[in-house]
Amino acid sequence: GAVVSQHPSWVICKSGTSVKIECRSLDFQATTMFWYRQFPKQSLMLMATSNEGSKATYEQGVEKDKFLINHASLTLSTLTVTSAHPEDSSFYICSARDPHAGGQDTQYFGPGTRLTVL
Amino acid sequence: QKEVEQDPGPLSVPEGAIVSLNCTYSNSAFQYFMWYRQYSRKGPELLMYTYSSGNKEDGRFTAQVDKSSKYISLFIRDSQPSDSATYLCAMRGNQGGKLIFGQGTELSVKP
Repeated sequence: GAVVSQHPSWVICKSGTSVKIECRSLDFQATTMFWYRQFPKQSLMLMATSNEGSKATYEQGVEKDKFLINHASLTLSTLTVTSAHPEDSSFYICSARDPHAGGQDTQYFGPGTRLTVL
Repeated sequence: QKEVEQDPGPLSVPEGAIVSLNCTYSNSAFQYFMWYRQYSRKGPELLMYTYSSGNKEDGRFTAQVDKSSKYISLFIRDSQPSDSATYLCAMRGNQGGKLIFGQGTELSVKP
């Protein structure tokens, strides 16, 4: 299957600082990427949909000024958590859509980034 | 009511057992159904992808969709300790639509 990478895999930061997470599709071009957040023993919650070259679409309740998303190329999307607070500590997972995956419109997920805000 | 309901478990079975995982949903517009496996502290991995009703088999895994009952299942035959993970069902209405996930069922296969 297609490969999606995330960097960093984990990060610890102080409250009030900003953190950038990168998501890359390694062997396909992804016009659409998604950012999810997952709390312990809970499901994935979609935060935003990122389309290459345009503004991201945020889900209801997600602050777009706090979670900045940039999708500058067909293989890279970034999520920046601005002025992070302890309640932002979570597992952030990106996915990339491969529209040519055997005819299936399939999302492939990255390995996730664990953010801990002290 | 959540759009997708999934029993979070945990479910513990002995090695070699047949495992049955299930999800129910309320939105009749869902047409694409997926099962993902997620190991601890890792991203989800696509296991099965099914369109509309019917069965699909891949090795030890069988996915079933019953749209009339709004019920999907994943069966794992001859379960192995390496199958121990959280299994998430996911579905959407159309090509390119938003994926809606179940809560995930935590499975433990004991040697």
